[in-house]
Amino acid sequence: GQSLEQPSEVTAVEGAIVQINCTYQTSGFYGLSWYQQHDGGAPTFLSYNALDGLEETGRFSSFLSRSDSYGYLLLQELQMKDSASYFCVLTTADKLIFGTGTRLQVFP
Amino acid sequence: NAGVTQTPKFQVLKTGQSMTLQCAQDMNHEYMSWYRQDPGMGLRLIHYSVGAGITDQGEVPNGYNVSRSTTEDFPLRLLSAAPSQTSVYFCASTGAAYNEQFFGPGTRLTVL
Repeated sequence: GQSLEQPSEVTAVEGAIVQINCTYQTSGFYGLSWYQQHDGGAPTFLSYNALDGLEETGRFSSFLSRSDSYGYLLLQELQMKDSASYFCVLTTADKLIFGTGTRLQVFP
Repeated sequence: NAGVTQTPKFQVLKTGQSMTLQCAQDMNHEYMSWYRQDPGMGLRLIHYSVGAGITDQGEVPNGYNVSRSTTEDFPLRLLSAAPSQTSVYFCASTGAAYNEQFFGPGTRLTVL
């Protein structure tokens, strides 16, 4: 089967850097994505890693290591609006598989 | 472009009633899917479709039917609503790259 594990909650202060880890088990996949979801809203796409290494998009970076079955999302210069849930997602041949999500709370 | 639209936004049903959640996209995406999200949980895949006329089951298909007669529309039908189906339902579509899903705003369903 396929599964992903993330911490349930992370807290940080404005301006800080936070890393949200994701470990997975799968027999095969195309890549690892990250989605953000604010309370009451729909998930929105943040990043995608098809290959090992770091992908940077503004304040957000995502990393993948296939050999370690591990990835992370790095958020820099945290802002209050970054308070949300973050999901790592496996892209397989025919579907996306979501992790259970990490709730990030940013404090002033 | 409207993106992915869902109707209704909110719905209350009684146990045993049936209804159809509507989903449409105007991005000409082949891949569409339905998820449910329970409080404090991730998204679980109900059904998906890789193109018109083709559907398949996801992780939690029981109690739901889908059809895909056109590229644009992917309705989800609840056959006989049960309180366990109280959830938020999201429809999503994906382009050829399969790496970015666009989600609709969701339908908040309560079954009494």
